[in-house]
This record gives sequence, structure tokens and C-alpha cells, in this order.
Amino acid sequence: RKEVEQDPGPFNVPEGATVAFNCTYSNSASQSFFWYRQDCRKEPKLLMSVYSSGNEDGRFTAQLNRASQYISLLIRDSKLSDSATYLCVVGYSSASKIIFGSGTRLSIRP
Amino acid sequence: DVKVTQSSRYLVKRTGEKVFLECVQDMDHENMFWYRQDPGLGLRLIYFSYDVKMKEKGDIPEGYSVSREKKERFSLILESASTNQTSMYLCASSQAGENYGYTFGSGTRLTVV
Repeated sequence: RKEVEQDPGPFNVPEGATVAFNCTYSNSASQSFFWYRQDCRKEPKLLMSVYSSGNEDGRFTAQLNRASQYISLLIRDSKLSDSATYLCVVGYSSASKIIFGSGTRLSIRP
Repeated sequence: DVKVTQSSRYLVKRTGEKVFLECVQDMDHENMFWYRQDPGLGLRLIYFSYDVKMKEKGDIPEGYSVSREKKERFSLILESASTNQTSMYLCASSQAGENYGYTFGSGTRLTVV
């Protein structure tokens, strides 16, 4: 079993829709959580950290459920520019133990 | 903004060549990392470093070595390039401690022929 698992997609949704991704992690010692966005042929870029109380950044909301060991990303009012691969990232106390999921591909259609 | 710069965007090398990939960051980050990214396999950690002169193996170090002589520079070395090392190589840096995300360079697409 992978340490961090994501549905690879692709998710193909119309512009304006709300879309949600989940990501599960296997190690209960995980301490830090992030969502990254990666555009085609570009490097991953930090989208947002995920805090225990949940956090929001504009149209993006991230949630953490430690009991069930998953994190989620919700995108409201999706835009064409949201089309990308979204990487779930889980970290441990040591900086070396940061594990990337394989990513979920999102495609927004007009 | 933190900037992580990788010396080459595209590189083509011959089998058996020694290849150097350079990475420089300008925000005094303690941690630096080298990953490779392949379709279907995601990001895999090759080597990382917490400090100058310090290096640790990641998940797939075979066929690679690294050098960190200065805090801002982390070099990845392919001792004898092989075709299965054709990949996208990504360098990243971060501050020490948990809860800090990584900043990536724009990547080097290496093709070994």
C-alpha cells in the first residue's frame, strides 16, 4: 500500500462546478500536510498548507481528518485556469519524510 | 519569493557520460532535495541534504551522487548515465523544521541516448 494515495482521475468538470479531491495517508505519525499544484511540463508549486482546523484560501478549502487519515481539497466555482494536477503531500517530523502522492488530474471544460 | 534555479532546462547526454545537474537557491534554506518525476511513478526522492557537506540517501539513490559544498548549491551527479535515467529532475529547497513546504526549481528534462 502506498503511503499517500490519490485518485489519479482525470476529473473532467464544467466551468463553475465544485470539485473535491480526497487523499489518504497510511502513517498516523504524519504531522504536516500540503496541497501542491502542477501544471503540464512545469514544476509543482505549493497551493496551500492544510491545518487541523481546516483552512480556506479564496475558492479553495482544505480539510484534515486525522481520525480517518485523509485530507481533502475543495475547489468552488472552478475556472479553466484550475486545470492542473493536484498533488497531496504528507510530512513527518523529519524534513526528509515528506511524501508526495501521485497526483489527481483535473480538467475544467468551458 | 524564494527562487530555486536549475542550470539547464533540457539536456541530452550519451550513455556512460558523467552528468552534473546544478541547483541554486537564494533564500538561505537549510534543506535541499533532488527528485525525479516519471509518468505513473510520481515524484521520487533521490538524495537530500540538511546542511553543508551533509547528504542522505532518498528512496532511489542508485546511480547517483550529490555534493553540497555551499549552503545555496546542491549538485546531482550521474556517475555513468544510462537510458533508464532519462527523466525530469526537480530540485527543491525548504526551511528547517516541519510544516514548511518545498519550493521547486523549474526542472531539468534529461534525455540519455
